[in-house]
Amino acid sequence: DAKTTQPPSMDCAEGRAANLPCNHSTISGNEYVYWYRQIHSQGPQYIIHGLKNNETNEMASLIITEDRKSSTLILPHATLRDTAVYYCIVRVREYGNKLVFGAGTILRVKS
Amino acid sequence: NAGVTQTPKFQVLKTGQSMTLQCAQDMNHEYMSWYRQDPGMGLRLIHYSVGAGITDQGEVPNGYNVSRSTTEDFPLRLLSAAPSQTSVYFCASSSPTGATYEQYFGPGTRLTVT
Repeated sequence: DAKTTQPPSMDCAEGRAANLPCNHSTISGNEYVYWYRQIHSQGPQYIIHGLKNNETNEMASLIITEDRKSSTLILPHATLRDTAVYYCIVRVREYGNKLVFGAGTILRVKS
Repeated sequence: NAGVTQTPKFQVLKTGQSMTLQCAQDMNHEYMSWYRQDPGMGLRLIHYSVGAGITDQGEVPNGYNVSRSTTEDFPLRLLSAAPSQTSVYFCASSSPTGATYEQYFGPGTRLTVT
């Protein structure tokens, strides 16, 4: 699985968009970008994933650059409950494939 | 559905003791896995299973055993606890029929070895 690079921490004002970057310059053609988050020592929670097109769901949007070497997770209207560690993971989307977690980005949403 | 459940939530062991961390899921998921998370670190994979009767090692398997006799349960055994095994342990499961293959995590077991 390709390695990822994320900033260690970011701050965001409540109600504003939170944009979390991730670099994955060695990503392979069959590898997807997944995002999980972990709120205060709870179990990680799946957010979104994508291959090469931008994706949106009820939680977030995922923007992947055309060369697929980087991506951005967007929380459109961050709330205090979005304060968490956000993990960007690159992996092949197949059954039984393992998740490899890095250190992630600590997002602090402030009022 | 209860999702992924883990017991106990907290445990304190003395060095050399053994114990089993329980994990169960009621979503009929075939894939299950165990991770550990040390303070300030990301999760590391210990063992995983792609179905009943099938297990394999992850990144940090030493000192742990697993078995998978049913689809629902995936217990993790610590053979002889060491202080280095003080950590938070998470169990996860995944369905082979989902479009995302997303993994669902349990609430964790906080283990302290003295």
